[in-house]
Amino acid sequence: ETGVTQSPTHLIKTRGQQVTLRCSSQSGHNTVSWYQQALGQGPQFIFQYYREEENGRGNFPPRFSGLQFPNYSSELNVNALELDDSALYLCASSPALRTGELFFGEGSRLTVL
Amino acid sequence: AQKITQTQPGMFVQEKEAVTLDCTYDTSDQSYGLFWYKQPSSGEMIFLIYQGSYDEQNATEGRYSLNFQKARKSTNLVISASQLGDSAMYFCAMRDNLMDQGAQKLVFGQGTRLTINP
Repeated sequence: ETGVTQSPTHLIKTRGQQVTLRCSSQSGHNTVSWYQQALGQGPQFIFQYYREEENGRGNFPPRFSGLQFPNYSSELNVNALELDDSALYLCASSPALRTGELFFGEGSRLTVL
Repeated sequence: AQKITQTQPGMFVQEKEAVTLDCTYDTSDQSYGLFWYKQPSSGEMIFLIYQGSYDEQNATEGRYSLNFQKARKSTNLVISASQLGDSAMYFCAMRDNLMDQGAQKLVFGQGTRLTINP
């Protein structure tokens, strides 16, 4: 059983640029969530996708957007990068819309200079 | 809104000793779920143990157990016979159902960094 995989693992961008992060969900999982984890903090919910539709969003501005594809993989896009966007971005999948355990990937560490 | 509080920024324990990591929560929901995750330096969040608000027994999973005190709104994680590989960040989390959006998210605490000394 393949777990959640994310790419790239590390990347550096400059302020104002755009970034795309990718996530392949665990086999059989149709729900994907994205979290932002700033240094020294717990993860914060960005949004959730279920069957290719965004069905829940945290307190993040519209420049954070996403997609989910028919194979349930997902992308997180961030436009007009700011210094505070520097963080570990975690993708999590689950086998159903409302379930207990989330299965996380190792994250993409974004540094904005 | 759900809130999780972890008051121990760091804990240092000798190998083979037991350790308790504290977590308190705040919610107005009658039905809720509580989770503990381990995050090693690799970054991945690893699920450890789950406690439902209506579960009558404290949850146990191998060396991990929960001391769930509903009236005090606390769910402390106990790791027995600690090992060097237990050194990591530990996060307590609560499920938050975004009823108006149909989604479900986890609300995390600030975490506790556990260091196991040989």
